[in-house]
Amino acid sequence: DGGITQSPKYLFRKEGQNVTLSCEQNLNHDAMYWYRQDPGQGLRLIYYSQIVNDFQKGDIAEGYSVSREKKESFPLTVTSAQKNPTAFYLCASSRGWNQPQHFGDGTRLSIL
Amino acid sequence: KQEVTQIPAALSVPEGENLVLNCSFTDSAIYNLQWFRQDPGKGLTSLLLIQSSQREQTSGRLNASLDKSSGRSTLYIAASQPGDSATYLCAVPRGGADGLTFGKGTHLIIQP
Repeated sequence: DGGITQSPKYLFRKEGQNVTLSCEQNLNHDAMYWYRQDPGQGLRLIYYSQIVNDFQKGDIAEGYSVSREKKESFPLTVTSAQKNPTAFYLCASSRGWNQPQHFGDGTRLSIL
Repeated sequence: KQEVTQIPAALSVPEGENLVLNCSFTDSAIYNLQWFRQDPGKGLTSLLLIQSSQREQTSGRLNASLDKSSGRSTLYIAASQPGDSATYLCAVPRGGADGLTFGKGTHLIIQP
């Protein structure tokens, strides 16, 4: 079945550590996105990519980095510079600018 | 900057009732508006995408309307069921394929 796979489902980060969240899609979508969800807040855009080897910062990119080396993969690294990383992270993809976005099941990141 | 507001924040109704969820946005220059459902601890499921040229979009017991000029959308759920219990989110494009701006959602509980 086509879809978006995020892994791991739960992730724990130690102080000073970088961690990488995986997002893979087999929908053949060009555009991919990373959002962060905090309790009581709407989803906020971290990074997005409209095409391979190209990506742009969203509203809250500080402390995060991404790569887009393959169409189907858009990993997100939460660096030690992100001082409040505890959140639910959601990856999405879409065929294009006026098409629905489809989401993975999310990764919940916590601090040890 | 686009802002999306959803009212009410929470709603609890008996099974079988018809109900309306509201979404408003500040910038009417949107291409489309998307409604999502989120179950606890899960990702988002796309329910309906309504294009700016449309006034309504229907899927089963769900009907979404869009009034761009007034900056409003409604999601109508007919004959509600306990399985409809979830958080409902609306979102509009930030611009092109630049990701979405989300409301904070309406937490819906359908009492059996």
